[in-house]
Amino acid sequence: DTAVSQTPKYLVTQMGNDKSIKCEQNLGHDTMYWYKQDSKKFLKIMFSYNNKELIINETVPNRFSPKSPDKAHLNLHINSLELGDSAVYFCASSPIPWTGNSPLHFGNGTRLTVT
Amino acid sequence: QKEVEQDPGPLSVPEGAIVSLNCTYSNSAFQYFMWYRQYSRKGPELLMYTYSSGNKEDGRFTAQVDKSSKYISLFIRDSQPSDSATYLCAMSEETSGSRLTFGEGTQLTVNP
Repeated sequence: DTAVSQTPKYLVTQMGNDKSIKCEQNLGHDTMYWYKQDSKKFLKIMFSYNNKELIINETVPNRFSPKSPDKAHLNLHINSLELGDSAVYFCASSPIPWTGNSPLHFGNGTRLTVT
Repeated sequence: QKEVEQDPGPLSVPEGAIVSLNCTYSNSAFQYFMWYRQYSRKGPELLMYTYSSGNKEDGRFTAQVDKSSKYISLFIRDSQPSDSATYLCAMSEETSGSRLTFGEGTQLTVNP
């Protein structure tokens, strides 16, 4: 009974392609996030949605477009994939925009490899 | 210069050893300090959380925050092979809400 689930788990694709990653949480949380973890394990926030509204949009190429159809789902679409997009993408959720007393619950990641 | 610096290791210790993991940071506005544990091929999970300076203990784990030195630590007592993972420090400002800044993680192996 996975709390935050992402699909696919692995994604191998060629440069220039467009791909999507899906995320769903069954925790009843209002806030969802996309984080990117590079090869050095460095985790960096990309986007955050609170109840379907975008609240954090870091400096990310506009080839990346998040979409939240409802508060339990947050998808990430990537256009014109580049080699540098290869990384592990983590979805996370928290009950409210994190106030310091509410942990992030992470999914197990989507390993994207662009060749 | 990164806002949060963490030695990536790898760190290898024998079972039963005391492990010390550390992070330094440059942003004096950070108020919330966390340690996440990440097993291989899994997402990070929250291990310890501290607000402002001080110590916090939870079983074999102790988190310390020294804001004057901009330095945080995680101590693991009686380390076990099951503690083998990557440990990431994370921190946040009072008003930044959801925006956590992570260190790059320290890879720890506890050998039986």
